[in-house]
Amino acid sequence: SQTIHQWPATLVQPVGSPLSLECTVEGTSNPNLYWYRQAAGRGLQLLFYSVGIGQISSEVPQNLSASRPQDRQFILSSKKLLLSDSGFYLCAWSVQGRSPLHFGNGTRLTVT
Amino acid sequence: KNEVEQSPQNLTAQEGEFITINCSYSVGISALHWLQQHPGGGIVSLFMLSSGKKKHGRLIATINIQEKHSSLHITASHPRDSAVYICAVTAGAQKLVFGQGTRLTINP
Repeated sequence: SQTIHQWPATLVQPVGSPLSLECTVEGTSNPNLYWYRQAAGRGLQLLFYSVGIGQISSEVPQNLSASRPQDRQFILSSKKLLLSDSGFYLCAWSVQGRSPLHFGNGTRLTVT
Repeated sequence: KNEVEQSPQNLTAQEGEFITINCSYSVGISALHWLQQHPGGGIVSLFMLSSGKKKHGRLIATINIQEKHSSLHITASHPRDSAVYICAVTAGAQKLVFGQGTRLTINP
């Protein structure tokens, strides 16, 4: 069966520090991978999506970046966090956009 | 105007009531998703549909492609149904566009 792992579950980081959130998928090949952010009281916002290794599409200009070094690994990074980067980050996957979305449990990031 | 609009934004009902949450969209889509987000933040996919109607337990989802409208119904609602329900559409390039969500509270 397919599973998705996202870590860490919670993270408190000071402004200006780097960020690395990791997401891995098991049990499927060549999934579409997504990073979403949900600010407090707001809806989900697509940050990045990837249809293959090394293929990253960015939806919102910001100081975040994403990488897909392996087929089932998706990493969200920042060199210097801003206060506005605080939020709930969710990784998700689907089968080439044709299946339901499967979400990780999310990472709650607080930038202080 | 958002490409995906949900209504109502908040809904409070008594246990046992029939619940309807609506979703309208303004873009061409290949599929529509209904998601459920519990207070802890985890999101579960309830339905993915491109036409007609789907049923799973007490949940029913319908879509009218011509009218660009979908509804999520919950029959015999229960306090454990309390969550945020999110409508999302796949609108080309394998991206999803999300509604703002409907916060549902079912009181015992």
